[in-house]
Amino acid sequence: AQTVTQSQPEMSVQEAETVTLSCTYDTSESDYYLFWYKQPPSRQMILVIRQEAYKQQNATENRFSVNFQKAAKSFSLKISDSQLGDAAMYFCAYYNTNAGKSTFGDGTTLTVKP
Amino acid sequence: DVKVTQSSRYLVKRTGEKVFLECVQDMDHENMFWYRQDPGLGLRLIYFSYDVKMKEKGDIPEGYSVSREKKERFSLILESASTNQTSMYLCASSIPAGTDPYEQYFGPGTRLTVT
Repeated sequence: AQTVTQSQPEMSVQEAETVTLSCTYDTSESDYYLFWYKQPPSRQMILVIRQEAYKQQNATENRFSVNFQKAAKSFSLKISDSQLGDAAMYFCAYYNTNAGKSTFGDGTTLTVKP
Repeated sequence: DVKVTQSSRYLVKRTGEKVFLECVQDMDHENMFWYRQDPGLGLRLIYFSYDVKMKEKGDIPEGYSVSREKKERFSLILESASTNQTSMYLCASSIPAGTDPYEQYFGPGTRLTVT
């Protein structure tokens, strides 16, 4: 079974600084997708960024980028120029394309200090 | 925009009651999911459904059942609520497996308290 590990329950960053959230996963599959989701306080979970396992190039979405290391099964999220609105719980998720379902990590709560 | 709605944001029920949590999506998605979210445990999959009248057990199905009579609606049922089912319940939907982009769209969640 696939597992997803987020080793940092809590992180904090100063506004305008950069922070990296870590995620590792375990799988024997070769075809899968990885996601980072953001859950702001009392608000709906939304997609931040996604990565196809077959793509070597790291995904980027504005201030959000990933460092995808397939051999190491590592998928970290970098947030640049952190903003107060980035404060949220972030979940790393692995999607099994064969099973059609996702496995989520335990989440990392990010605090942004003004 | 995809919209996933859940019938209640907050719900308080008594032990032994039968509880229905409703989820509706408006984007004609085939796949729908029910998760529970607990501190330090992330999201755990309870049940999911690929199509009307189809259901699959997730990782923690015990004590729960589901119903999908219409494509847009996926209901989670607690047959006899217990205090250990106090949790945040999240519904999500997505397009079918094998069809990019695979991401899930979430509802706002229902915080259920069983006393």
